[in-house]
Amino acid sequence: EVQLVESGGGLVQPGGSLRLSCAASGFTVRRHYMSWVRQAPGKGLEWVSVIYSGGSTYYADSVKDRLTISRDNSNNTVYLEMNSLRPEDTAVYYCARGGTIIPGGFDIWGQGTMVTVSS
Amino acid sequence: DIQMTQSPSSLSASVGDRVTITCQASQDISNFLNWYQKKPGKAPKLLIYDASDLETGVPSRFSGSGSGTDFTFTISSLQPEDFATYYCQQYANLPYTFGQGTNLDIK
Repeated sequence: EVQLVESGGGLVQPGGSLRLSCAASGFTVRRHYMSWVRQAPGKGLEWVSVIYSGGSTYYADSVKDRLTISRDNSNNTVYLEMNSLRPEDTAVYYCARGGTIIPGGFDIWGQGTMVTVSS
Repeated sequence: DIQMTQSPSSLSASVGDRVTITCQASQDISNFLNWYQKKPGKAPKLLIYDASDLETGVPSRFSGSGSGTDFTFTISSLQPEDFATYYCQQYANLPYTFGQGTNLDIK
């Protein structure tokens, strides 16, 4: 079965760090554009970051220099390292699979993991 | 950044109604436009990709059209399970951007 399973969310103080994991099964993450998308409470969807099949990474301005996307091909897992967290980073974080040749639509999503930044 | 403007932001309709949502991009995005359905507590679901292509397994009552800057998403006959929030999303340029969402509820 093709699926994504996120983990690693939780409660963290402002300025703190977390690492989110997104374990894939049924497909190979290194062949796809893999993104993180978040939804703050009561808000809409916000794209956060992407890692291309070739390894290039890109970020939304709101998270640049604080969040880092990476990939472990041997574990077929995508990560989101989150540093210098702010209250406005509070959201459900989803990882999502894009296409192989072009980004395309996000056709497979994880169940989401909640990150709460609060003192 | 490319701004995606959805209209309306909310919509009340009845089962069996035809519903249309529009999405306007701030610059030409060709057909690099997707539509998603989002229900509370659930992950988003891809319905339409590349402006008009129906994702596998999605009912044919959902459709999309448009290119360039103006796009339309239609549900031909609303079913009870269709009440949700709908988002457009462009992937023509980074950063990928979503519309603000259209909340579709029961009249």
